[in-house]
Amino acid sequence: SQQGEEDPQALSIQEGENATMNCSYKTSINNLQWYRQNSGRGLVHLILIRSNEREKHSGRLRVTLDTSKKSSSLLITASRAADTASYFCATGTSGTYKYIFGTGTRLKVLA
Amino acid sequence: ETGVTQTPRHLVMGMTNKKSLKCEQHLGHNAMYWYKQSAKKPLELMFVYNFKEQTENNSVPSRFSPECPNSSHLFLHLHTLQPEDSALYLCASSPHADQETQYFGPGTRLLVL
Repeated sequence: SQQGEEDPQALSIQEGENATMNCSYKTSINNLQWYRQNSGRGLVHLILIRSNEREKHSGRLRVTLDTSKKSSSLLITASRAADTASYFCATGTSGTYKYIFGTGTRLKVLA
Repeated sequence: ETGVTQTPRHLVMGMTNKKSLKCEQHLGHNAMYWYKQSAKKPLELMFVYNFKEQTENNSVPSRFSPECPNSSHLFLHLHTLQPEDSALYLCASSPHADQETQYFGPGTRLLVL
């Protein structure tokens, strides 16, 4: 079964608003990453949060991790049209080289 | 832009053709990956190479054959594919294969007729 599942599947907001995406997973993890993908292109790494961390910031991005609920959220503040993309979470588990990706949240920021 | 290049960017092939996808990374990384991305499905890991050795084969059909001649180059040889193999094939690299950030190439959009 799928490890990471993003919610919502699609999100449409106005420029300047905040966007929040959630990721839930099923098994214990070492770390969780968020990636962005513009249409039909490769993924771009945004942020990595380790299992012993609860929150990380990078510019307009804020990621939280709740290992007790097996969930993470990605907040993009003051969104811009250029933030329009799909966002994926990927979970890393000890003892394997695999990162398990979810199906992603498609974010559309309207100018 | 990410230091990982893929060629070709687009490929159309018949089911009886043989073709190869190429990936090259200029980041000095030791691990390289092949992923398959199909519409409305999660990104699927296909193969992992760490220091030129294959460490993961995620139950990929034998019509996909990877090759890693050195740490900078990764190939995916395609033979007698099926229409359901049509997808975006993404290559990625990381410093090592052990739980680190991966840097993706732009992908090869493959259409099998």
